[in-house]
Amino acid sequence: AQSVTQLDSHVSVSEGTPVLLRCNYSSSYSPSLFWYVQHPNKGLQLLLKYTSAATLVKGINGFEAEFKKSETSFHLTKPSAHMSDAAEYFCVVSDEPGYGNKLVFGAGTILRVKS
Amino acid sequence: KAGVTQTPRYLIKTRGQQVTLSCSPISGHRSVSWYQQTPGQGLQFLFEYFSETQRNKGNFPGRFSGRQFSNSRSEMNVSTLELGDSALYLCASSLWGGEGETQYFGPGTRLLVL
Repeated sequence: AQSVTQLDSHVSVSEGTPVLLRCNYSSSYSPSLFWYVQHPNKGLQLLLKYTSAATLVKGINGFEAEFKKSETSFHLTKPSAHMSDAAEYFCVVSDEPGYGNKLVFGAGTILRVKS
Repeated sequence: KAGVTQTPRYLIKTRGQQVTLSCSPISGHRSVSWYQQTPGQGLQFLFEYFSETQRNKGNFPGRFSGRQFSNSRSEMNVSTLELGDSALYLCASSLWGGEGETQYFGPGTRLLVL
């Protein structure tokens, strides 16, 4: 079965500094990978999606992620953090073929942005 | 297009009761999936419906059930509520429910079981 490990449960950065949220995946197949963000008391919003077209994926709000097959990683980055980026971020992998569009979520990383 | 809508947004129930949650997908989307989010277990897949048929089911007891209507709207039902069912229930829709297809999430229904 597919799985995702988010390496940090909490990340704290200062406003204007770079953001790095780390994610490793385990997959026997070529997976689809996603990053979603959840602001307090809100649903999940898609940041970006990897589907093998390009290893560097650009998303909304200045976020991007790089797919590295050799490292089985899909880390999320942003050059300069903004206060509004404070939220919980989920790295997500599609489950293996035969399970339809079932998503497997990482445990989440809470991003704190200090002024 | 309007996004995924879920009703009600908040619910308080007592143990032993049953509850029904509703989800309206994005217009044109035919696949609806349900997820449970709790602090302890994180986000877990409940089930997915397409064309009024359950295509996929997660590892939850039979107390959790769902259905989908011809207009793609979906409901999920939890019978004989337990304290551990307190959670945020999220609904997501996609066009066809294909593997790797992007899913769009609603704001969720927060259920508190007392």
